[in-house]
Amino acid sequence: GQQLNQSPQSMFIQEGEDVSMNCTSSSIFNTWLWYKQDPGEGPVLLIALYKAGELTSNGRLTAQFGITRKDSFLNISASIPSDVGIYFCAGNTGTASKLTFGTGTRLQVTL
Amino acid sequence: DVKVTQSSRYLVKRTGEKVFLECVQDMDHENMFWYRQDPGLGLRLIYFSYDVKMKEKGDIPEGYSVSREKKERFSLILESASTNQTSMYLCASRQQGEQPQHFGDGTRLSIL
Repeated sequence: GQQLNQSPQSMFIQEGEDVSMNCTSSSIFNTWLWYKQDPGEGPVLLIALYKAGELTSNGRLTAQFGITRKDSFLNISASIPSDVGIYFCAGNTGTASKLTFGTGTRLQVTL
Repeated sequence: DVKVTQSSRYLVKRTGEKVFLECVQDMDHENMFWYRQDPGLGLRLIYFSYDVKMKEKGDIPEGYSVSREKKERFSLILESASTNQTSMYLCASRQQGEQPQHFGDGTRLSIL
């Protein structure tokens, strides 16, 4: 099965810093989703994107659906300790099709 | 809020055992999914079901089977557990025609 290329694999940042991560695909996607997984729990949906060029915010999080429809970006502003976790992108080519997941970005925030 | 419940958070079984992982959702969703999660590999789809009694193979179905006798329940079965099936297993559900999948908290399965 196809895997998305998600980068970086891990990040160590200080509290208050901004964070950027991205996903790229060799296929055109119709939907991009961003999930966060806290240690020992299942992924929780953060942001869903449905149109090329779409920019959507959820609190300190902002995600964009790339114009080429082959990439997506997630930014976190002014990071705090509870931002620690693994962030996954996911996308698919149609509403009825399966999701393909990125390999995750592990975020660590130091005080 | 959607609630996806997996029956066990942690499970330890022996090689060769038949293992059942249960998942229940309370939002009348048509579609349900089973993934396994391994470090560096992300989430990989094992099986999914579009509706009751329907099942489709995902990307890594070998060694697994599923059962969907009721709409709210989707079971993953390891016919004869092997050590390479030690992993975190995640169940998800979604409304037909909508995209976001909602996940359970996972079952961490160890095969000894």
